[in-house]
Amino acid sequence: AQSVAQPEDQVNVAEGNPLTVKCTYSVSGNPYLFWYVQYPNRGLQFLLKYITGDNLVKGSYGFEAEFNKSQTSFHLKKPSALVSDSALYFCAVRVTASGGSYIPTFGRGTSLIVHP
Amino acid sequence: DAGVTQSPTHLIKTRGQQVTLRCSPKSGHDTVSWYQQALGQGPQFIFQYYEEEERQRGNFPDRFSGHQFPNYSSELNVNALLLGDSALYLCASSRAFTEAFFGQGTRLTVV
Repeated sequence: AQSVAQPEDQVNVAEGNPLTVKCTYSVSGNPYLFWYVQYPNRGLQFLLKYITGDNLVKGSYGFEAEFNKSQTSFHLKKPSALVSDSALYFCAVRVTASGGSYIPTFGRGTSLIVHP
Repeated sequence: DAGVTQSPTHLIKTRGQQVTLRCSPKSGHDTVSWYQQALGQGPQFIFQYYEEEERQRGNFPDRFSGHQFPNYSSELNVNALLLGDSALYLCASSRAFTEAFFGQGTRLTVV
């Protein structure tokens, strides 16, 4: 079975500082990995994904994520945080499939708070 | 492109009642998935529809049922509502192995 762990319920960072939101995963095959952001009372917005290729993936709003196969991690990063980045962040994993269905599994989410 | 749209945005129901939530997928998407997100939790997969059939189902009771129409839109039905069914219900659409796009959700409150 596939699973995702987001070890931090909350991450606090000062505006302008770099931020990291951690994610580790467990799958039996090759993973597709995703990051989504959720603002209050809203649906999830796609940020970025890793399927194959370069381990550093660049996404929306200046976010990037680093895939590390040996550590089974996919941490979300941004060089300089903005107050508007404050939101709930979800990591998700699904296993690649040659055909048929595929269901992503989401972590519990990490609340990012960026202080002015 | 309107993206994924869900209706209604908010709903209040009484225990024991039945509810129907609706979802229109993003243009070009043929797969619709439904999730339940309780407060402070990540989305929990309910089921997925493709070609008008339920393709996968999560760990939810039979009180949760769904349907997909020929135009790919979908409905989620919940019977015999319980207080614990109160949550944000999210619809996500996708095509093949692309990333899922989510709607804004329907906030269901059961009283």
